[in-house]
Amino acid sequence: DIQMTQSPSSLSASLGDRVTITCRASQSISSYLNWYQQKPGKAPTLLIYDASSLQSGVPSRFSGSGSGTDFTLTISSLQPEDLATYYCQQSYSTSWTFGQGTKVEIK
Amino acid sequence: EVQLVQSGAEVKKPGESLKISCKGSGYSFTSYWIGWVRQMPGKGLEWMGIIYPGDSDTRYSPSFQGQVTISADKSISTAYLQWSSLKASDTAMYYCARADGGNSHFDYWGQGTLVTVSS
Repeated sequence: DIQMTQSPSSLSASLGDRVTITCRASQSISSYLNWYQQKPGKAPTLLIYDASSLQSGVPSRFSGSGSGTDFTLTISSLQPEDLATYYCQQSYSTSWTFGQGTKVEIK
Repeated sequence: EVQLVQSGAEVKKPGESLKISCKGSGYSFTSYWIGWVRQMPGKGLEWMGIIYPGDSDTRYSPSFQGQVTISADKSISTAYLQWSSLKASDTAMYYCARADGGNSHFDYWGQGTLVTVSS
């Protein structure tokens, strides 16, 4: 299996802050990298696919970048509704894998 | 409107069998993959496997291969996840989700099915 490692595991930031979450793959996955948001008690939702494509309906403050093994999810200006856990996921191999998640809290 | 509607919560005893379902609507069920994702209490997401209902092509995570069976009945637009002998460690929320390719992403998710296994 391809291992996905996210950092940090959790973070606390103030409203309006720029937030960056990193995801590293154990081998090159080209741009087959997706980001999901999971709010407490809810099913996950897709934010970014193919490393940098914004899913329809997702606010433009979310963006993704990277290719190969290193990827980044950025929230340009943190909002109260962004309280959630964020997961990266690779779909390069026939067996997909998720990162362990990054919990974002509001200071 | 695309919808994935999962079956209701289950409470089972260790050793019992179980089959949970995920019914798709609002799109061509046979043209998209359906995957299953486990979330144990307080933990992260784990990819279990995925099926293409059009031809029943199925792929499993090595962690779940042999532990569960994924199937689909395209005549009723429903995918399934089943266990032949549950363990307490199978207690979790299970989500189904739709993908448009075998190397794609999950664009729609079901609401989740909570499975509790306890003696």
